Amino acid sequence: QKEVEQNSGPLSVPEGAIASLNCTYSDRGSQSFFWYRQYSGKSPELIMFIYSNGDKEDGRFTAQLNKASQYVSLLIRDSQPSDSATYLCAVTNFNKFYFGSGTKLNVKP
Amino acid sequence: DADVTQTPRNRITKTGKRIMLECSQTKGHDRMYWYRQDPGLGLRLIYYSFDVKDINKGEISDGYSVSRQAQAKFSLSLESAIPNQTALYFCATSDLTGGYGYTFGSGTRLTVV
Repeated sequence: QKEVEQNSGPLSVPEGAIASLNCTYSDRGSQSFFWYRQYSGKSPELIMFIYSNGDKEDGRFTAQLNKASQYVSLLIRDSQPSDSATYLCAVTNFNKFYFGSGTKLNVKP
Repeated sequence: DADVTQTPRNRITKTGKRIMLECSQTKGHDRMYWYRQDPGLGLRLIYYSFDVKDINKGEISDGYSVSRQAQAKFSLSLESAIPNQTALYFCATSDLTGGYGYTFGSGTRLTVV
């Protein structure tokens, strides 16, 4: 079992729709949770982090954390073609950092 | 200037050659990491260092070596490059806990022919 699981996609959504990206993790000691965006051939860029159960909003992005279910999600509202990228989920227990393999998102104009 | 700088950005080398990838950072972070990324395989950890005197193997260290020359510098060497080491290589840094996530360099695209 991988420490962080993501559906590889691709997830296709029309422009203006809400994109929902999901991630599960296996280490119950995980303390911090991150979402990175990676454009093809580029480096991962941190877009959201969350530490506590519940929702955290930043502009069009909302991160959701449910530690009991070991589940993290990222919602992108009003999706734009420029949001087309691979989204990596990452978790840390402060000793080790685990990345998921990423979900590819396609936003169609 | 970028917080984490990798050189070179692109490199083509021949099988059997020794090659060094360099990483320097201005974040002041103690922890530094080397990852490789292959299509469909995600990020895989090669080596990591928690301070200048601490070097640790990651999940795929065979065929690689590292040197932490200073807090700000962490180099990755391929002693004798082989074609299946063709990949995108990333250096990353974090603070002591990693609780604020990693900062990545721009990457080095390495091709071994």
